[in-house]
Amino acid sequence: DAKTTQPPSMDCAEGRAANLPCNHSTISGNEYVYWYRQIHSQGPQYIIHGLKNNETNEMASLIITEDRKSSTLILPHATLRDTAVYYCIGGGGADGLTFGKGTHLIIQP
Amino acid sequence: DGGITQSPKYLFRKEGQNVTLSCEQNLNHDAMYWYRQDPGQGLRLIYYSQIVNDFQKGDIAEGYSVSREKKESFPLTVTSAQKNPTAFYLCASSIRFSRGVKSPLHFGNGTRLTVT
Repeated sequence: DAKTTQPPSMDCAEGRAANLPCNHSTISGNEYVYWYRQIHSQGPQYIIHGLKNNETNEMASLIITEDRKSSTLILPHATLRDTAVYYCIGGGGADGLTFGKGTHLIIQP
Repeated sequence: DGGITQSPKYLFRKEGQNVTLSCEQNLNHDAMYWYRQDPGQGLRLIYYSQIVNDFQKGDIAEGYSVSREKKESFPLTVTSAQKNPTAFYLCASSIRFSRGVKSPLHFGNGTRLTVT
């Protein structure tokens, strides 16, 4: 069973910020949260990961709550090419390799 | 460019035949993984290998076998014992696998297996 929970789908207007939530209440203090995305019929692509502090790279920002029970992936200016399934992964050992169904993000023109 | 190569992209087999899916990486990663994905579903872990000559079962290992004789290669055999082999198979690697902390997974572009 997945150790994270995400909404099955979300819509976002092109050019706006897309905020994707993830609950990971069971991860331990030294376990990272990873985000990936999968465009249809391709392998998932790594986006970002974090432990306690907020993180930002050229693709996205990751906001992790202080209690580490949830996080939000932010795509600051969504484009049509950001339409994909987004996976949040967290946990240690083999638990950290479990991908749920993710969130299908649809960017509307 | 470094990366993970899965071949072929599409594979067709008759029921009752074993089939081996190839996965090669030139990233010098210690750990490698195999996942299965069915339509509209997430990825399910079949097998993973933390180091050469070692591998562990994932959540759905029944009907599959693997080997890890070389660091760069982790082939997956879908045997005739696998009841529903038609699926999209994804191979991944990471720098290392250590309990509690892992490096990001790098995925290949998958092999779509159809068994009739």
